[in-house]
Amino acid sequence: GENVEQHPSTLSVQEGDSAVIKCTYSDSASNYFPWYKQELGKRPQLIIDIRSNVGEKKDQRIAVTLNKTAKHFSLHITETQPEDSAVYFCAASQGAQKLVFGQGTRLTINP
Amino acid sequence: GAVVSQHPSWVICKSGTSVKIECRSLDFQATTMFWYRQFPKQSLMLMATSNEGSKATYEQGVEKDKFLINHASLTLSTLTVTSAHPEDSSFYICSAGHLAGAGEEQYFGPGTRLTVT
Repeated sequence: GENVEQHPSTLSVQEGDSAVIKCTYSDSASNYFPWYKQELGKRPQLIIDIRSNVGEKKDQRIAVTLNKTAKHFSLHITETQPEDSAVYFCAASQGAQKLVFGQGTRLTINP
Repeated sequence: GAVVSQHPSWVICKSGTSVKIECRSLDFQATTMFWYRQFPKQSLMLMATSNEGSKATYEQGVEKDKFLINHASLTLSTLTVTSAHPEDSSFYICSAGHLAGAGEEQYFGPGTRLTVT
């Protein structure tokens, strides 16, 4: 089955700097890679996703890149703000069905 | 659009009792819903896939007789934790797939925090 590894487990950056979180997956059949933001005690919120037919996707300050050959994808957050502080999860699946999650990254934005 | 609700948001029960959690898709129909469990400071782990009108598919290591899933309609799936024990205390979250612009996306319910005393 699919296995998703996520790094780093914690990340602290200065407000205004960029943050990068990386994930690798094992199943070459996976074709859907979402990123979720989860605040304490709340539901995961989809912030961006990418499908295997594209290599990069951007939405304002958030971008995701996908390297199918190397089986890794990354989340990039630019111009970070305090409200970006949360736990971020990557996931992989076939057709947005059974999501397999990474271990999560606790992002802290320091003012 | 694509709103998923859960009820209750939190529940405390005594060891040995059963607890039912409801997951509803409010503005769309979902033939498939998913149930996840999340322990404190850990990731989400898929427990089972709930299929409308048929039996649920459980992940390896999840006891189907302990975690009963019923998907009676296209907008409702229920998870019943039977004979709950303290180690079942966790955050249970459901999700449902919704077709967006580029394809299907998974939307999560707000979660149910279960505490077994």
